Amino acid sequence: GGIITQTPKFLIGQEGQKLTLKCQQNFNHDTMYWYRQDSGKGLRLIYYSITENDLQKGDLSEGYDASREKKSSFSLTVTSAQKNEMAVFLCASSIYNERLFFGHGTKLSVL
Amino acid sequence: GQQVQQSPASLVLQEGENAELQCNFSSTATQLQWFYQSPGGSLVSLLSNPSGTKHTGRLTSTTVTKERRSSLHISSSQTTDSGTYLCAIVNSAGNKLTFGIGTRVLVRP
Repeated sequence: GGIITQTPKFLIGQEGQKLTLKCQQNFNHDTMYWYRQDSGKGLRLIYYSITENDLQKGDLSEGYDASREKKSSFSLTVTSAQKNEMAVFLCASSIYNERLFFGHGTKLSVL
Repeated sequence: GQQVQQSPASLVLQEGENAELQCNFSSTATQLQWFYQSPGGSLVSLLSNPSGTKHTGRLTSTTVTKERRSSLHISSSQTTDSGTYLCAIVNSAGNKLTFGIGTRVLVRP
C-alpha cells in the first residue's frame, strides 16, 4: 500500500507570515488535493492538481498558492497568515474519480 | 454550488446498537464516498457508492441517485466506531469532492 506524508504536522506562524505546507504521496496517483478543515464547517477545497505542473482553483483559493512540482508532491503556501487563524490542512490523492486517500493533516495556529 | 447535507449532526449510541446516517445532496452526483475521521486523526475512505447498496464489514451504504440521497448504516456499533462520518460528492466534471459537515458519532461502552 501507499502513504501520504504531510509536513510539518504542526505549524505555528505569525500574522502576515508566508507559510508553506508540503505533501508527498507514493501511490503514483495523478490527482492531488488540498483541503482546509475548520470546526463546524467541514472540508473545503483550496487547490487541486490533476497532473504534474497542473493547478486548479477550488472554492477557497483566495489567500493561497500551490505548486505541483512533480507527480508525487504538492505544496500549499499560505501567502499571509491571518491572526488567530486555526485550521487543519488535509492533503489527499486519488486516481481520477476514484477513492481519495488522505494524509494526517497539518494543524496551523497563527499567533 | 453543490450542497451536501448530513444528518443527524451528532449521535450517541450504546455499544451494540445500530445507527443510520443520512446524506442529501443538491444536484446530480457522479460519485459518492463515505469517509471516517477518528478524533484527531486523518480521513479514511469507507465506501465508494454512487448508486445501489454496498457493504463492508458492519457498514452498509444505500444510495438512491434519483432522490439525491445516501445512507450509511452501522450495525452492532462498537466503541471504536466513535468519530465523525463524512459524506462527499463528486461533481459532474468528476474532478473534485464536495464534503458535508459530517455526523459525530459517540458509542458508549
